[in-house]
Amino acid sequence: DAMVIQNPRYQVTQFGKPVTLSCSQTLNHNVMYWYQQKSSQAPKLLFHYYDKDFNNEADTPDNFQSRRPNTSFCFLDIRSPGLGDAAMYLCATSINRVRGYTFGSGTRLTVV
Amino acid sequence: QKEVEQNSGPLSVPEGAIASLNCTYSDRGSQSFFWYRQYSGKSPELIMSIYSNGDKEDGRFTAQLNKASQYVSLLIRDSQPSDSATYLCAVETGGSYIPTFGRGTSLIVHP
Repeated sequence: DAMVIQNPRYQVTQFGKPVTLSCSQTLNHNVMYWYQQKSSQAPKLLFHYYDKDFNNEADTPDNFQSRRPNTSFCFLDIRSPGLGDAAMYLCATSINRVRGYTFGSGTRLTVV
Repeated sequence: QKEVEQNSGPLSVPEGAIASLNCTYSDRGSQSFFWYRQYSGKSPELIMSIYSNGDKEDGRFTAQLNKASQYVSLLIRDSQPSDSATYLCAVETGGSYIPTFGRGTSLIVHP
């Protein structure tokens, strides 16, 4: 089945130790997004790729970076995780930014 | 600033009842409206989209849109315990194509 796959499902990292989260998709969608969601809060958009064009939200901390080496894969790098970065990280895809998203299963990040 | 407001709940309804979830938005230029269901610890799942004023039905779900009053609602008929989840409203403006999400309403359907 075509889908959006995130790895790992759960990630524990040490304070300040770089971590990379991955997302792959077999839907052939041209837009990929990274969201951060904390408990009982709305998903917060960090960045998105429209084809190869990278779009960074104005309030996304510099600590967060992203890479999209090809249309199927996207990575989220957190260079120096802090306790406040503990959250669910959601990858989503869409076709030309319309008609709703397909979300991956998410990665739950814990910072110790 | 574009805002999407939802009552955080929890909204508690008995099994078999109609659950009514509401969402208001601030941007009059909004064009597309979505409802996502999110189970605890899971990712959101798109359940309904609506683009025109009026009602849109899909099985037990009905989305209602009133652009003049700037609200969108989701009705769930014959609610089941498996419907217990958080329901996120998302609103897109025509220009940005990036939705703004509400914080979600927690729904509890008790047997």
